[in-house]
Amino acid sequence: AQSVTQLGSHVSVSEGALVLLRCNYSSSVPPYLFWYVQYPNQGLQLLLKYTSAATLVKGINGFEAEFKKSETSFHLTKPSAHMSDAAEYFCAVSDLSGNTPLVFGKGTRLSVIA
Amino acid sequence: GAGVSQSPSNKVTEKGKDVELRCDPISGHTALYWYRQSLGQGLEFLIYFQGNSAPDKSGLPSDRFSAERTGGSVSTLTIQRTQQEDSAVYLCASSLTRIGDTQYFGPGTRLTVL
Repeated sequence: AQSVTQLGSHVSVSEGALVLLRCNYSSSVPPYLFWYVQYPNQGLQLLLKYTSAATLVKGINGFEAEFKKSETSFHLTKPSAHMSDAAEYFCAVSDLSGNTPLVFGKGTRLSVIA
Repeated sequence: GAGVSQSPSNKVTEKGKDVELRCDPISGHTALYWYRQSLGQGLEFLIYFQGNSAPDKSGLPSDRFSAERTGGSVSTLTIQRTQQEDSAVYLCASSLTRIGDTQYFGPGTRLTVL
């Protein structure tokens, strides 16, 4: 069974600093991988998606993630944090069969300090 | 175009009462999903519809939970004899075709059982 581990339930960075949110997956074959963001009192919004076309995936709001098969990781980064980036971030994995639901990590809450 | 909508946005009920939560997916999306989000617990998959049928009901926590989808569109999640542990945000999502596609989420229904 697939699983996703997000290291750190809460990450705090200063405005302008690098954002790094960690995600490791467990899968026997390279899966589809997703990062979603949830702003307070809102649903989840897709940030970016990996589908094996390119290992470095660029998403919205300046975020990007790199798929590293050897490390089974899909960490999310942004060079310079903005106050508006404060939110909950979820990593998710789906297998290529298309027959199983997305498996979500428990989420990482990002705080941005002025 | 319109996104996924859910109603009500908030629901407060007394223990033992039945509740119905509604989801309107994006027009043309054949796949629909229900998740439960409890504080600090991430997203818990409940059920998935492909058209009007539910190939995967594995996540429903008990027989008090049921869901249906009619006309390949609107879905209703029903919780009978609500318990306090049912208090959570219930999220609905839809995707274009199959389960591995990008999922688009609604804003959720916050259920509070007193």
